[in-house]
Amino acid sequence: DGGITQSPKYLFRKEGQNVTLSCEQNLNHDAMYWYRQDPGQGLRLIYYSQIVNDFQKGDIAEGYSVSREKKESFPLTVTSAQKNPTAFYLCASSIAWREGLMDEQFFGPGTRLTVL
Amino acid sequence: SQQGEEDPQALSIQEGENATMNCSYKTSINNLQWYRQNSGRGLVHLILIRSNEREKHSGRLRVTLDTSKKSSSLLITASRAADTASYFCAGTTRDAGGTSYGKLTFGQGTILTVHP
Repeated sequence: DGGITQSPKYLFRKEGQNVTLSCEQNLNHDAMYWYRQDPGQGLRLIYYSQIVNDFQKGDIAEGYSVSREKKESFPLTVTSAQKNPTAFYLCASSIAWREGLMDEQFFGPGTRLTVL
Repeated sequence: SQQGEEDPQALSIQEGENATMNCSYKTSINNLQWYRQNSGRGLVHLILIRSNEREKHSGRLRVTLDTSKKSSSLLITASRAADTASYFCAGTTRDAGGTSYGKLTFGQGTILTVHP
């Protein structure tokens, strides 16, 4: 059963704590992405990775960190430096990174993070 | 900044009616994609239209693209209650020099409600 999984579905964090969101895909995709969605808003890109051991900042990377040690996994850490972390976080992947030509992205079910 | 801006922000119709959503964008694009999101879930890819295409069909979906007006529309024919969701357009971002960053930028979405 191929797809993207994110865990946990709901996450609660106290202020000042770091927390890591999991994203795993078994689609053999090279490219992976993290987005943040706030209520009534579209998606904003946090980080993206074109290939293993490489990642780039998106539009709102401050207060977040990622790693891409394995092709299947792209975890996102929300650090205490992120001023307003409560949001819905979506992970996505696409077949390959082709400059200037974006392929369809496949999304995970999302993680809803609430800071208490 | 958002690449796409959807219009209307919300649309309420009866089952069987057609639903039309519009998307305008600011800079040149390579392709434009439409996604659907059910409440609290991940996004699902609906259709991709390339900059050299003017119209594309997929089942009950029809997408048009007018690059001269920097706009696209999504038409859902014979709508069903199950079509109730948010719909987003997303395009690649390019700078004034035409360089593509290979990232998708999403609009804020149109909330479609189809009443049985």
